Amino acid sequence: DAKTTQPPSMDCAEGRAANLPCNHSTISGNEYVYWYRQIHSQGPQYIIHGLKNNETNEMASLIITEDRKSSTLILPHATLRDTAVYYCIVRVIYNFNKFYFGSGTKLNVKP
Amino acid sequence: DADVTQTPRNRITKTGKRIMLECSQTKGHDRMYWYRQDPGLGLRLIYYSFDVKDINKGEISDGYSVSRQAQAKFSLSLESAIPNQTALYFCATSAMIRDRGRTRETQYFGPGTRLLVL
Repeated sequence: DAKTTQPPSMDCAEGRAANLPCNHSTISGNEYVYWYRQIHSQGPQYIIHGLKNNETNEMASLIITEDRKSSTLILPHATLRDTAVYYCIVRVIYNFNKFYFGSGTKLNVKP
Repeated sequence: DADVTQTPRNRITKTGKRIMLECSQTKGHDRMYWYRQDPGLGLRLIYYSFDVKDINKGEISDGYSVSRQAQAKFSLSLESAIPNQTALYFCATSAMIRDRGRTRETQYFGPGTRLLVL
């Protein structure tokens, strides 16, 4: 599976949109982009995933560039409870047996 | 997620001891996984099981073994614990879900077991 590159940390004001970038320049055609988050050593939580179209669910939006080499996770109205480490992963769908979480981005939501 | 439970939540053991970490789920999922998390390394897969009779090695299976006692239970054993097995261990389940006309897969993680090997 392709590796990803994320900034180690970001700050966001409470109530504002948090935009978390991810680079995955070696992504292959059958690999999806997944986002998880982990709040202070709790179990990781699935957020959203997509292939090439933008996706939205009740938690977040995922914007994938046309060449699929990068993506952005958007939390539209960040709250203090969104403070967590966010992981961007690319892998073949239905293939939980091989993926690498990496170091992620620590999002600090501030009052 | 309360539907995936792990016991114990914290454990301290000594080098050379055998230890078992247990995972139970009430989600009815066939697929179960064991991962370990180390600072700066993210999560790495140890073993996974797609059903009761199926066991597969992950990226870092050496020094570990597993048992799938039932659909709901998946145990991880350290046969002879060593200090570099000190880590946070997560169990997970997965399933495919139909959501608004699309099939979506997702994974649910337990709360983790913090293991310290002295």
